[in-house]
Amino acid sequence: KNQVEQSPQSLIILEGKNCTLQCNYTVSPFSNLRWYKQDTGRGPVSLTIMTFSENTKSNGRYTATLDADTKQSSLHITASQLSDSASYICVVSDRGSTLGRLYFGRGTQLTVWP
Amino acid sequence: EADIYQTPRYLVIGTGKKITLECSQTMGHDKMYWYQQDPGMELHLIHYSYGVNSTEKGDLSSESTVSRIRTEHFPLTLESARPSHTSQYLCASSATGSNQPQHFGDGTRLSIL
Repeated sequence: KNQVEQSPQSLIILEGKNCTLQCNYTVSPFSNLRWYKQDTGRGPVSLTIMTFSENTKSNGRYTATLDADTKQSSLHITASQLSDSASYICVVSDRGSTLGRLYFGRGTQLTVWP
Repeated sequence: EADIYQTPRYLVIGTGKKITLECSQTMGHDKMYWYQQDPGMELHLIHYSYGVNSTEKGDLSSESTVSRIRTEHFPLTLESARPSHTSQYLCASSATGSNQPQHFGDGTRLSIL
């Protein structure tokens, strides 16, 4: 069964600290893995997209890694800011259909305290 | 900032009413999607479209219908709203290509009394 599991479910850190969010998936055949940031009451916003051949991609203070062999990804946030408080969603796309079906994780709820 | 808009942002309405949720994008994207999201849960695809006059049902069974008469417009309709339809509805669009990101609107939070 194709699934995307994220951990931890929630995380609280102090402003300025780093953190790492985890994503494990069983989706096959694999096409790409995406990380989205969703602020409360808003729609998700794309942070990174990685294909099979990419093992790291950065977007400012966000760095995503991908290990396609172990089917794991992580999102590292450096020098956290209050505005980083949001839900971070891992999404995996398969190659099994024209649509490129997307499998969504439930997200990690990150809270950054001053 | 993506140019995709949803209206209304919030809607509280009684059971049995007909509802249309609007979604428009100005990016010229062929692909458009509707998702349903409950608090703390993953997004579920309920409808998608590859282009004008193309609509398909998604993974989650839904009593809603959609239409795609114009590229930029993808409205979702509930003919007779029920309390079980209470949820957040997110619209998204993407360019053609398997590695294109989806751009989401800010959603409509629907409450059926």
